[in-house]
Amino acid sequence: QSALTQPASVSGSPGQSITISCIGTSSDVGGYNYVSWYQQYSGKAPKLMIFAVSNRPSGVSSRFSGSKSGNTASLTISGLQAEDEADYYCSSYASSNPPYVFGTGTKVTVL
Amino acid sequence: QVQLVQSGAEVKKPGSSVKVSCKASGGIFINSGVSWVRQAPEQGLEWMGGIVPLFGSATYSKKFQGRVTITTDESTGTVYMEVSSLRSEDTAVYYCAREEEAPYTFDIWGQGTRVTVSS
Repeated sequence: QSALTQPASVSGSPGQSITISCIGTSSDVGGYNYVSWYQQYSGKAPKLMIFAVSNRPSGVSSRFSGSKSGNTASLTISGLQAEDEADYYCSSYASSNPPYVFGTGTKVTVL
Repeated sequence: QVQLVQSGAEVKKPGSSVKVSCKASGGIFINSGVSWVRQAPEQGLEWMGGIVPLFGSATYSKKFQGRVTITTDESTGTVYMEVSSLRSEDTAVYYCAREEEAPYTFDIWGQGTRVTVSS
């Protein structure tokens, strides 16, 4: 099972919107509505931001939203803020072993 | 506030084993699973295996099958992961995370345990 494909980096100015893509296959992203997104600051544990494609856990800002089309999931951060500068990983449930596959990770830079 | 607290950093020799613990507070393992995810230096996240403490049976990524053992002690609310036959490529931060079945997500993470394998 290969890692899901994400862009290595995405940048934007404060207030702008950015979108991070997560490309998988019909055996993972395309086959299930079980895509999650995690935010990770350097040296810290990941934090769940989106689950089941587009659901936000309690306490996560509404500036974060998720969607999916076919084998590609996306995370959009609107109204970009300096505190959004971090690494972001997608994850999907998969039909084979391992049952969880992560994306390659995207570094978000706020200009 | 529910938390997962992991054991401290370890330095190990190649060929040896390491056992990392993950203790839950607030009874958060009830009906939930616990997975282990590792992150090598400057690399991404990788799922290694998981267990549902209530049932006690573990599943493993085929990459780690036979070299990783995940167990649980329900009396103390602690999950353990042991990695044997360590090699330098196992140098990483190891995280435990609570796994919510359907939506198959990891909603609570431990702080991470750094394992360094060096001769």
